[in-house]
Amino acid sequence: AQRVTQPEKLLSVFKGAPVELKCNYSYSGSPELFWYVQYSRQRLQLLLRHISRESIKGFTADLNKGETSFHLKKPFAQEEDSAMYYCALKGAGSYQLTFGKGTKLSVIP
Amino acid sequence: ETGVTQSPTHLIKTRGQQVTLRCSSQSGHNTVSWYQQALGQGPQFIFQYYREEENGRGNFPPRFSGLQFPNYSSELNVNALELDDSALYLCASSFPTGSNTEAFFGQGTRLTVV
Repeated sequence: AQRVTQPEKLLSVFKGAPVELKCNYSYSGSPELFWYVQYSRQRLQLLLRHISRESIKGFTADLNKGETSFHLKKPFAQEEDSAMYYCALKGAGSYQLTFGKGTKLSVIP
Repeated sequence: ETGVTQSPTHLIKTRGQQVTLRCSSQSGHNTVSWYQQALGQGPQFIFQYYREEENGRGNFPPRFSGLQFPNYSSELNVNALELDDSALYLCASSFPTGSNTEAFFGQGTRLTVV
């Protein structure tokens, strides 16, 4: 069975402070990992995926297979980063996304 | 290019009734997935349709069924509604090519069962 755990329901940081949103997963093979974001009154949208190894809006995430983690990081938080963040996993040969429960990031001005 | 659209945006039904939710996929996308998002939870996979055939299903009972049409739009049908079916239902479309499996989500349909 595949599972995604986001231990923090809410994370509050001050503007300019570093941000780390935690994501741990359980999957027996090689998964594909994603971060989705939902800004207020907007639809769920892809932020980044591990296979792209890219930085989007200053966010990065590295897949750590040893620790089965895919934490989302940003060195300096901005007010516009306030949103709901979901970590998601896709198993090999499957199109099904398994989501975590989400972390609400609140950036305090 | 148009995005994923869902209708209706809100719906109230009585326990035991049946409901149909609709989704128009993004232009050019041939795959549609449906997710249920209960309050305070992440989206949970219901099933996926590819070229009018169901090709993946999550842990949902048979009273959750679907259809995909030749234009790749889709319907989610839920029979014998229960109070626990109250949730946001999300539709996502994609056009899987190689390693690109990005899913584009609609704004959702909020279903309330009373």
